[in-house]
Amino acid sequence: GAVVSQHPSRVICKSGTSVKIECRSLDFQATTMFWYRQFPKKSLMLMATSNEGSKATYEQGVEKDKFLINHASLTLSTLTVTSAHPEDSSFYICSARGPGLAGGPLGEQFFGPGTRLTVL
Amino acid sequence: AQTVTQSQPEMSVQEAETVTLSCTYDTSESDYYLFWYKQPPSRQMILVIRQEAYKQQNATENRFSVNFQKAAKSFSLKISDSQLGDAAMYFCAYSGTASKLTFGTGTRLQVTL
Repeated sequence: GAVVSQHPSRVICKSGTSVKIECRSLDFQATTMFWYRQFPKKSLMLMATSNEGSKATYEQGVEKDKFLINHASLTLSTLTVTSAHPEDSSFYICSARGPGLAGGPLGEQFFGPGTRLTVL
Repeated sequence: AQTVTQSQPEMSVQEAETVTLSCTYDTSESDYYLFWYKQPPSRQMILVIRQEAYKQQNATENRFSVNFQKAAKSFSLKISDSQLGDAAMYFCAYSGTASKLTFGTGTRLQVTL
């Protein structure tokens, strides 16, 4: 099946620093990648959608200058949390969808294992 | 905007028994997909089952089946012969023409001996 990886799995940083999270599709080309945020015991909230080679589309209420998303290739998207603060601590999950995968454009997304960010 | 509602925050089932998790959704679209995802303690999202709205036949995957009632906008998940490994958070999700997933709030399933 389609595999998506995320790196790092855990990161602890000091307030004010920036953190980059990578999301890779290992065995397929991901034309679209999604970034979610999940608070403890809560559901996944979509932050942004990125299409390869174009700017990300952010959901309402998500600060695009704080959460920088780059989808530079068909297998890699990055999320950079800039000037991180304790309230940015959360679990970040990416997912990817490629052309021709089961279900077509309305079909399945494949999820990465997530990254736990802790900002001290 | 589409919404997905899971009214059962927690459910419990005995091993080998059957349990049904409820999900309702709201949409004005006619073409969409519905999903059930499982999130175990590892937090890796795992697709359990998928239903295309244009298909009248309910999807099944081994011990997992759905009851899709399009007119009622209902999409419940039935787990038969429950196993300890089924214990997890279960999320119902909707994907429409915007190609984005909208998740419900989740149901935590406990499986007891």
